[in-house]
Amino acid sequence: GENVEQHPSTLSVQEGDSAVIKCTYSDSASNYFPWYKQELGKGPQLIIDIRSNVGEKKDQRIAVTLNKTAKHFSLHITETQPEDSAVYFCAARIKAAGNKLTFGGGTRVLVKP
Amino acid sequence: DTEVTQTPKHLVMGMTNKKSLKCEQHMGHRAMYWYKQKAKKPPELMFVYSYEKLSINESVPSRFSPECPNSSLLNLHLHALQPEDSALYLCASSQAGATNFGANVLTFGAGSRLTVL
Repeated sequence: GENVEQHPSTLSVQEGDSAVIKCTYSDSASNYFPWYKQELGKGPQLIIDIRSNVGEKKDQRIAVTLNKTAKHFSLHITETQPEDSAVYFCAARIKAAGNKLTFGGGTRVLVKP
Repeated sequence: DTEVTQTPKHLVMGMTNKKSLKCEQHMGHRAMYWYKQKAKKPPELMFVYSYEKLSINESVPSRFSPECPNSSLLNLHLHALQPEDSALYLCASSQAGATNFGANVLTFGAGSRLTVL
């Protein structure tokens, strides 16, 4: 079926280093790709999103890149801080699934001080 | 007010009980959602209300019954649940309605953690 694959499932980085999470999708008609951060005991929170008419978007230490040809998009976090520790979910609007927002499996990020 | 408020935060119920989860937002959002999240898994869509009308039901068992009394409130009525229904139930809202489904920014509540004994 139409799904979103996310890797890695866990990521441990040293404070100050960069973290990269990658997602692939199968529906070439997908046109919206948000990233959500879920901290312990909280609901997911949108941190950045990108639409298919742009290849890159940046917001301070966070950036997202989109390769439509290869059907993958990535989240980049630079200068990681302990408060970046959380579970990150990518998602894609899958046209073939009735335009449903389909989430990846999640990446648990641990930033070690 | 930029929050989605969910009550209760925790709920323990037996398989014969009837209970309700409640969700409230005062951002003027026109769509409200229920998601189910099992441990270490992504949220799974259950229901979508757009302009107070049910627009999507993801083939959810009838023991879950959603209700949208007005544009700010969303309930999930629970009856005869099974232990496998134990999960975190997340409510979300979005500014736009179902016409732009899947491309709307979702604002999630903190969730109601349900345990079915």
